[in-house]
Amino acid sequence: DARVTQTPRHKVTEMGQEVTMRCQPILGHNTVFWYRQTMMQGLELLAYFRNRAPLDDSGMPKDRFSAEMPDATLATLKIQPSEPRDSAVYFCASGLGQGGETQYFGPGTRLLVL
Amino acid sequence: AQSVTQLGSHVSVSEGALVLLRCNYSSSVPPYLFWYVQYPNQGLQLLLKYTTGATLVKGINGFEAEFKKSETSFHLTKPSAHMSDAAEYFCAVINSGAGSYQLTFGKGTKLSVIP
Repeated sequence: DARVTQTPRHKVTEMGQEVTMRCQPILGHNTVFWYRQTMMQGLELLAYFRNRAPLDDSGMPKDRFSAEMPDATLATLKIQPSEPRDSAVYFCASGLGQGGETQYFGPGTRLLVL
Repeated sequence: AQSVTQLGSHVSVSEGALVLLRCNYSSSVPPYLFWYVQYPNQGLQLLLKYTTGATLVKGINGFEAEFKKSETSFHLTKPSAHMSDAAEYFCAVINSGAGSYQLTFGKGTKLSVIP
């Protein structure tokens, strides 16, 4: 049963610390998406990649957030420095890259910045 | 640009009653439409999707949705609610065709099932 995996599942950190979230997309998928979910804003698309190249990261605060795909099996989302307003659940999703395709979501990383 | 409106942030139904969750979309090109479900502390799981062809789409757990172009709607229904259906449901739209990767979600509808 192929699934998107995310680590860590939970993270508590203090303001100013660096946070790194990792995602392993489903094998064979070549699009990867990062979303943030909060009560106030709902689901927001932060960035997405196709064939490891960033296609759009306009949803991401550039001064503190960065997203990369070091290889086809790993996507990372970093926040440096973290702030309390970054507290949210961060989801990774992957797809086949055909355009208009279904996105398969991971379980999320629940981040709390104190 | 595309957008999704889900009417009702909270819906309560009695166990065994009809479930109807409303979704209207806006899209400049033919859309693909999705319903996802999110159980507490979990990720989003695909319930069903419409791409082309038959406008009545059947999904998992007894849910179905009908694409109505004239009404720009994609409402989700289930004839008889079960306690396990309590979750948050998200409608989403994407432009059809190659090169379209940005899925736009509605704000979600939280479904409560009353025993």
